[in-house]
Amino acid sequence: KQEVTQIPAALSVPEGENLVLNCSFTDSAIYNLQWFRQDPGKGLTSLLLIQSSQREQTSGRLNASLDKSSGRSTLYIAASQPGDSATYLCAVIRRPTNFGNEKLTFGTGTRLTIIP
Amino acid sequence: DVKVTQSSRYLVKRTGEKVFLECVQDMDHENMFWYRQDPGLGLRLIYFSYDVKMKEKGDIPEGYSVSREKKERFSLILESASTNQTSMYLCASSLWPGLNTGELFFGEGSRLTVL
Repeated sequence: KQEVTQIPAALSVPEGENLVLNCSFTDSAIYNLQWFRQDPGKGLTSLLLIQSSQREQTSGRLNASLDKSSGRSTLYIAASQPGDSATYLCAVIRRPTNFGNEKLTFGTGTRLTIIP
Repeated sequence: DVKVTQSSRYLVKRTGEKVFLECVQDMDHENMFWYRQDPGLGLRLIYFSYDVKMKEKGDIPEGYSVSREKKERFSLILESASTNQTSMYLCASSLWPGLNTGELFFGEGSRLTVL
């Protein structure tokens, strides 16, 4: 059974610093890995998706990497801003074995606070 | 941009009431999902559907049912609401991975309180 872990559960950093969020998974037979952001009381916003054949994806100040062999992904946030404060979740999707049978396994998230 | 719309952001219901949560997506996605999110438990899959009138149980289907009469709409039904169903409910959609990356798009969530 796939297990996804995000450590630490909470992180506070001063504004302007670069930071890394971690995501670990136990089963390397994944189809893709997706990073989300969730603001309090809101839904999840997709940030980046990395397919299993890729090593990294970039969007603006965000860079996500994937190392399937070690079961790890990192989300790098450059020049952090107070507006980056949110909970960040990663999710892995297993390789579908039949039609429509893909399911995501979510981590429990890292709550990030950027201190002005 | 993909838009997943959940009709109710906040609902308060009484124990035993029938509750409908509606979700509509505008990108012709085959797959639609219902999750609930609780502190300390993360997101848990209730039901998903990969086509009209098709449904599959997720990890915690007990006490819930779903309906997908049209491709764009996926409804979650609580036949007789109970206090342990107080939660944040999240709807999501995606294209079938065989045709796309399988990227998942979420709605804004529906916060249900059962008294």
